Amino acid sequence: GDSVTQMEGPVTLSEEACLTINCTYTATGYPSLFWYVQYPGEGLQLLLKATKADDKGSNKGFEATYRKETTSFHLEKGSVQVSDSAVYFCALRNSGGSNYKLTFGKGTLLTVNP
Amino acid sequence: DGGITQSPKYLFRKEGQNVTLSCEQNLNHDAMYWYRQDPGQGLRLIYYSQIVNDFQKGDIAEGYSVSREKKESFPLTVTSAQKNPTAFYLCAIQQQNTGELFFGEGSRLTVL
Repeated sequence: GDSVTQMEGPVTLSEEACLTINCTYTATGYPSLFWYVQYPGEGLQLLLKATKADDKGSNKGFEATYRKETTSFHLEKGSVQVSDSAVYFCALRNSGGSNYKLTFGKGTLLTVNP
Repeated sequence: DGGITQSPKYLFRKEGQNVTLSCEQNLNHDAMYWYRQDPGQGLRLIYYSQIVNDFQKGDIAEGYSVSREKKESFPLTVTSAQKNPTAFYLCAIQQQNTGELFFGEGSRLTVL
């Protein structure tokens, strides 16, 4: 079945440091890929997405590129801020058949210190 | 105000009691989902519904029940059969074309 593996963390960085959170997936067909962010005490919000190979999703300074050859969708940001502290989830949605469910990774807690 | 609304935000219950969590949406989406979130375990799917009057079990449905009598509403009941119900529960609706999920703010259930 489909699965998502992301680095577990926690990840602790200083403000303005570079961020990479690794995400790899296993899926049949051609899934769509997502990154969601969860701020403390809240639900998840869509951060960015990519629907086909080589697509780059971007939002709020975050980027991720859909790499089919390495089955990866790593999240990157060049300069993090304290306000980026949150839990980040990688997810996929397989386009095959009638299965519309999203499969999530376990989440990566990011803490950014001033 | 449009969107997805979960209530209550915090809920306490005694062991052996059933409790129902509300999830309401006014975005006219067909598909709705319930997830459970525990520290270090990410999101686990409890139940989902693709259309009114139909729903399917997810990965951890035991001890839970749902109904989908109206398009706008997908309540989740945590029954006394659920062995470890203390968790953060998230409801989501799905945009059909893109597959994106939009989440409510969650309900935190604590069993005393």
